[in-house]
Amino acid sequence: TQLLEQSPQFLSIQEGENLTVYCNSSSVFSSLQWYRQEPGEGPVLLVTVVTGGEVKKLKRLTFQFGDARKDSSLHITAAQPGDTGLYLCAGAKGSTLGRLYFGRGTQLTVWP
Amino acid sequence: NAGVTQTPKFQVLKTGQSMTLQCAQDMNHEYMSWYRQDPGMGLRLIHYSVGAGITDQGEVPNGYNVSRSTTEDFPLRLLSAAPSQTSVYFCASSYEGGRGETQYFGPGTRLLVL
Repeated sequence: TQLLEQSPQFLSIQEGENLTVYCNSSSVFSSLQWYRQEPGEGPVLLVTVVTGGEVKKLKRLTFQFGDARKDSSLHITAAQPGDTGLYLCAGAKGSTLGRLYFGRGTQLTVWP
Repeated sequence: NAGVTQTPKFQVLKTGQSMTLQCAQDMNHEYMSWYRQDPGMGLRLIHYSVGAGITDQGEVPNGYNVSRSTTEDFPLRLLSAAPSQTSVYFCASSYEGGRGETQYFGPGTRLLVL
């Protein structure tokens, strides 16, 4: 059973379009992170959100943590081919330090 | 800092062979983890450690052993390789910095079991 459900699994869009990726759970997390992974490499952290309702912006990427700290979303404005990659959400629980729970990922392809 | 290093980068094994995947970090992080990544499955936790001498099982621990004798090293041992263990393996280290836990990943080891 996956603790974090990520959707959609695949997303194929044209350059300039907007998109949103969702990460949902029935569990509460002390923090939630978004990673991006390029082919042949390990995931790289994009952002960490800690407070319920928190919104963080990273250039064209906007991350939101749900008020109840059970879900998160990643919104990309005016997607570019350089945004192509695998986006992973991961949650941490204060009761299990050292362990992250990952979603299955969203494979994003942005066509020129 | 080299960050998290993994060796080897690629490995081909025959069914029944054993091997050790090496992982080292030079960031003095308390926590280290091993994941496997298969298509459509995201990252699945194999084993993790919260400090030297302390390890625990993740989601998919069967067929794998770990030990943590030093803060820096966290090797993963395959006792008797099976084709189902063909995967990409990632090691990660992390710390709890008060703003949530950030994991730093190595470049991965690609393992093929024939």
